Amino acid sequence: SYELTQPPSVSVSPGQTASITCSGDKLGDKYAWWYQQKPGQSPVLIIYQDNKRPSGIPERISGSNSGNTATLTISGTQAMDEADYYCQAWDSSTGVFGTGTKVTVL
Amino acid sequence: EVQLVESGGGLVQPGGSLRLSCAASGFTFSSYWMSWVRQAPGKGLEWVANIKQDGSEKYYVDSVKGRFTISRDNAKNSLYLQMNSLRAEDTAVYYCARDSDFWSGNQRVHWFDPWGQGTLVTVSS
Repeated sequence: SYELTQPPSVSVSPGQTASITCSGDKLGDKYAWWYQQKPGQSPVLIIYQDNKRPSGIPERISGSNSGNTATLTISGTQAMDEADYYCQAWDSSTGVFGTGTKVTVL
Repeated sequence: EVQLVESGGGLVQPGGSLRLSCAASGFTFSSYWMSWVRQAPGKGLEWVANIKQDGSEKYYVDSVKGRFTISRDNAKNSLYLQMNSLRAEDTAVYYCARDSDFWSGNQRVHWFDPWGQGTLVTVSS
C-alpha cells in the first residue's frame, strides 16, 4: 500500500520559515493536499492540488510537489501556526494521509 | 455555511456494532462524494471509506473491508457508517468530511473539505 512519510516534529522561531516535507514514491506524479489540525479541533484544508490556497488561508502558507517530495512552507511563522500538519494523496481508489508533523513555535 | 454534524459514537464491546450518522447542511449534499476519516487517540489521520453521489460506488481502507458499510440518504442529507465486528483498534474519533474529486490522468482523486467535529468511538470491554 502507498505510504506518505513526514518528520514527526519541526521547531521554528517566530518570524522564521518552517518547511514540512511529505515523502512518497513518485509523489510528484500525484497531487498533494495539506491539512492543519490544532489541539482539540478538526482538520482544516490549507493547500489543495499541490500549491493552491483555499479562501481565507494566508499567502505566507505555500506548497510545492516534485519528485518524491511535497513540501509545505510557512513563512513568517506565527504562534497561531502551532499545530499538527498532515499531507494527503490519493492512490488506487484509496485515501492516504501522511504520518503527521507537529510544528512548535518556540 | 457548510455544516457537518456527526453522531452515534459511544462505548461498545469488542465484536459489537455501532452506526454513525452525519447530518449535512449548507450545500447540495447529493452533488458530492462523502468520506469518513478516523483518528485514534494521540495518532494521525486515517481515511476509512467514501461513497459516490448516488451511492453507486463505495471504497474502503483494507482494515475495515467486510466489517464497515458506508451509505447515504440524499433525501435526508445524511451519511452513515455501519460498523460491525468492532475491534479495540477501531477506537478513534470518526470525522465525516465532504469529499471533492476530479480526474487526474486515468484515476479520480479526492480531498476533504470541510470536516465535521467528530464523534468518539471506544471499543473496550
